[in-house]
Amino acid sequence: AQSVSQHNHHVILSEAASLELGCNYSYGGTVNLFWYVQYPGQHLQLLLKYFSGDPLVKGIKGFEAEFIKSKFSFNLRKPSVQWSDTAEYFCAVNEGAAGTYKYIFGTGTRLKVLA
Amino acid sequence: DTGVSQDPRHKITKRGQNVTFRCDPISEHNRLYWYRQTLGQGPEFLTYFQNEAQLEKSRLLSDRFSAERPKGSFSTLEIQRTEQGDSAMYLCASSQSAGGVETQYFGPGTRLLVL
Repeated sequence: AQSVSQHNHHVILSEAASLELGCNYSYGGTVNLFWYVQYPGQHLQLLLKYFSGDPLVKGIKGFEAEFIKSKFSFNLRKPSVQWSDTAEYFCAVNEGAAGTYKYIFGTGTRLKVLA
Repeated sequence: DTGVSQDPRHKITKRGQNVTFRCDPISEHNRLYWYRQTLGQGPEFLTYFQNEAQLEKSRLLSDRFSAERPKGSFSTLEIQRTEQGDSAMYLCASSQSAGGVETQYFGPGTRLLVL
């Protein structure tokens, strides 16, 4: 069965530090990949997505992610975090061409940025 | 606000009672999804509709759970004879099908507590 792994459950950084959150998936076919963010008290919001083309995807608020097919990875990065980036981050995968549209989510990474 | 809305936002009930949640998707979206999220986990797929047709159900959706989308617009999720294990956040998402490539937009969720 398809699964998504987010190895970092909790991350604490100081402002201006660089961020990289890991995401690995276990499906060998065509996939669509997503990162969602959930700020405290708010609903899940799309941060960025990858469907095809350039494996380096840029999203909102200075985030980017790189799809590395050989490593089944889609890690999220930001060069310099801000206090307002404190949130929970979820990686999700959708089997691109399988006719099923459900997302498989990772368990999330809770990021705390210290001012 | 033209996002996905859910009602109620919070529900406390006693074990054995029935509860019903409502989701109003983004108006032009033809696909609607229900997910469940428990503490420390990412959202888990429950079921999805394309227009009024329920096309996929997870094994997580026991026979106490039923979902409907009678006119292809709003959807309801009913849980009969609630159990303490049903306590979770129930998320609704919607999307517009576009040749297999789509993005799901999430509502704020209904948090259920079964006493």
